[in-house]
Amino acid sequence: GAVVSQHPSRVICKSGTSVKIECRSLDFQATTMFWYRQFPKKSLMLMATSNEGSKATYEQGVEKDKFLINHASLTLSTLTVTSAHPEDSSFYICSARVPGSVGRTEAFFGQGTRLTVV
Amino acid sequence: GNSVTQMEGPVTLSEEAFLTINCTYTATGYPSLFWYVQYPGEGLQLLLKATKADDKGSNKGFEATYRKETTSFHLEKGSVQVSDSAVYFCALGGFKTIFGAGTRLFVKA
Repeated sequence: GAVVSQHPSRVICKSGTSVKIECRSLDFQATTMFWYRQFPKKSLMLMATSNEGSKATYEQGVEKDKFLINHASLTLSTLTVTSAHPEDSSFYICSARVPGSVGRTEAFFGQGTRLTVV
Repeated sequence: GNSVTQMEGPVTLSEEAFLTINCTYTATGYPSLFWYVQYPGEGLQLLLKATKADDKGSNKGFEATYRKETTSFHLEKGSVQVSDSAVYFCALGGFKTIFGAGTRLFVKA
């Protein structure tokens, strides 16, 4: 199947600093990528849909200024957690779907990034 | 709107026991259905999928059948192993994948 790579896998940062997480589609071009957040022992919460060359679409309740998403190329989307605080500590996962396969083919997921804000 | 309901866990089984994790869905049209597995500290991996009614997805001894009449996609395995301990997510395909709450499975030796 298609490969989605996420980096870093773990990051610890100080409160007030910003952290950037990268999501790359390695063997296909993804015009759309998705960012999820997972709280401990909980399901995945969709945060936003990242669209190549245009603004991201955020889900209700997700702060756009806190979670900056950039999708500058067909193979790379980034999520920047700005002015991070301990409550932003979580597991963040990105996914992408092979273009032209909406609904019929699975989404491919990155390995996830464990963010800890101290 | 579309939604997925999964049985709550955790589910604790002994090795070689039979596993069933229930999943039902609400959707317009006939979306694809998926089961994903998440091992501790990792991202999600596709376990199996079904794209239309009566399709059976299978992988690594796991099976699930797309039942339109009962809007279900229950996950089964005849004999679980310790290495199957993980969290299992039922999901509905579409532009945005919709996940169930996840079911944590513990398999004891």
